[in-house]
Amino acid sequence: SQQGEEDPQALSIQEGENATMNCSYKTSINNLQWYRQNSGRGLVHLILIRSNEKEKHSGRLRVTLDTSKKSSSLLITASRAADTASYFCAVGRASGSRLTFGEGTQLTVNP
Amino acid sequence: EAGVVQSPRYKIIEKKQPVAFWCNPISGHNTLYWYLQNLGQGPELLIRYENEEAVDDSQLPKDRFSAERLKGVDSTLKIQPAELGDSAVYLCASSLGLADGEQFFGPGTRLTVL
Repeated sequence: SQQGEEDPQALSIQEGENATMNCSYKTSINNLQWYRQNSGRGLVHLILIRSNEKEKHSGRLRVTLDTSKKSSSLLITASRAADTASYFCAVGRASGSRLTFGEGTQLTVNP
Repeated sequence: EAGVVQSPRYKIIEKKQPVAFWCNPISGHNTLYWYLQNLGQGPELLIRYENEEAVDDSQLPKDRFSAERLKGVDSTLKIQPAELGDSAVYLCASSLGLADGEQFFGPGTRLTVL
């Protein structure tokens, strides 16, 4: 299975702290994407990292990818209450455009 | 620019009844996806369309689920008959169809089967 598995399942932090979520997968990938989902809403794309990249930044987001360990991490710096959401990693296969999602990390940022 | 539109947002039916969900993707997006999301889980792909062709429907329970994308734009997902275990959120997404492209999701339809 190429399903991403997020860790931890739930994370609660204070506003201003950094939040780190991890994702592991089992087979080779073409790319790995992170999505955010607010309660009762659809998923929103955050960032995509390709298999030949090690790190990528977007605003307060930093994503790393270690293909040797088959893992990725998403770091949200200086978190805000509005960052409260579920975060999913999704792995893209080497061919085609199917994404396989993990079960997500529920992040709660307390004001 | 309008995002992915889905309707209805909520649907409550009794088991054994039919139900249909509708999705209008972002204009110009050739690829359309239907996902099922159970509570506390990530989305699971049911079917993917490239224009009007279903190119990945291996996860679609074909005994009761069907989908169509006539003219390669709007899509409808149908369940007949619905079972209790079908209660979930049904998400539609679209993309430009690139091999590693970003997917844009609609708000989903929350189905409750009583």
